[in-house]
Amino acid sequence: DQQVKQNSPSLSVQEGRISILNCDYTNSMFDYFLWYKKYPAEGPTFLISISSIKDKNEDGRFTVFLNKSAKHLSLHIVPSQPGDSAVYFCAASTAGGTSYGKLTFGQGTILTVHP
Amino acid sequence: DAGVIQSPRHEVTEMGQEVTLRCKPISGHNSLFWYRQTMMRGLELLIYFNNNVPIDDSGMPEDRFSAKMPNASFSTLKIQPSEPRDSAVYFCASSSYGETQYFGPGTRLLVL
Repeated sequence: DQQVKQNSPSLSVQEGRISILNCDYTNSMFDYFLWYKKYPAEGPTFLISISSIKDKNEDGRFTVFLNKSAKHLSLHIVPSQPGDSAVYFCAASTAGGTSYGKLTFGQGTILTVHP
Repeated sequence: DAGVIQSPRHEVTEMGQEVTLRCKPISGHNSLFWYRQTMMRGLELLIYFNNNVPIDDSGMPEDRFSAKMPNASFSTLKIQPSEPRDSAVYFCASSSYGETQYFGPGTRLLVL
């Protein structure tokens, strides 16, 4: 049972343009959502998060949007840079608004940003 | 800070052998998580500890897998006996009182 789904295995974008990565979830108890970025041969690194009481969180070039009614979140990267090329994982937690407990991860989306 | 440290980084072993993966969490962090990444199942949580106590081991696939955390600065994940389907990248992560989880570089395990 895949509770967190990233339906696009890969995304290719031109440098300078916007990258939009999508994530859907099925468990309505999830109340905290995170995006992690992973380079080859490294562990995932935290990128940005959002609590279910918000619908948007912004950090520099990265913005996460949450649509609770649709059980959908997205990560926008503007402008995209070649160094953003990595695997992006969406994750969700039911631990009362923190990442204390179990994180359920999506399958990941491979982002390639072309110069 | 050195971040989460995992050893070994790579492990190749034969089916039936015992495998021990090691993790040193970030100093001061009180929660530790073991994950496994495979092509088929993605990144899945195996077990996590809070203040050295196992909280949830429902993700541990079989009795062949066991994890311990004897103190706040060390944890092990053991597979005995190992099987080819255990081949994966195993990650350890730590966090401090409900904050963001920080991942180690992973151990790439190949069981022949």
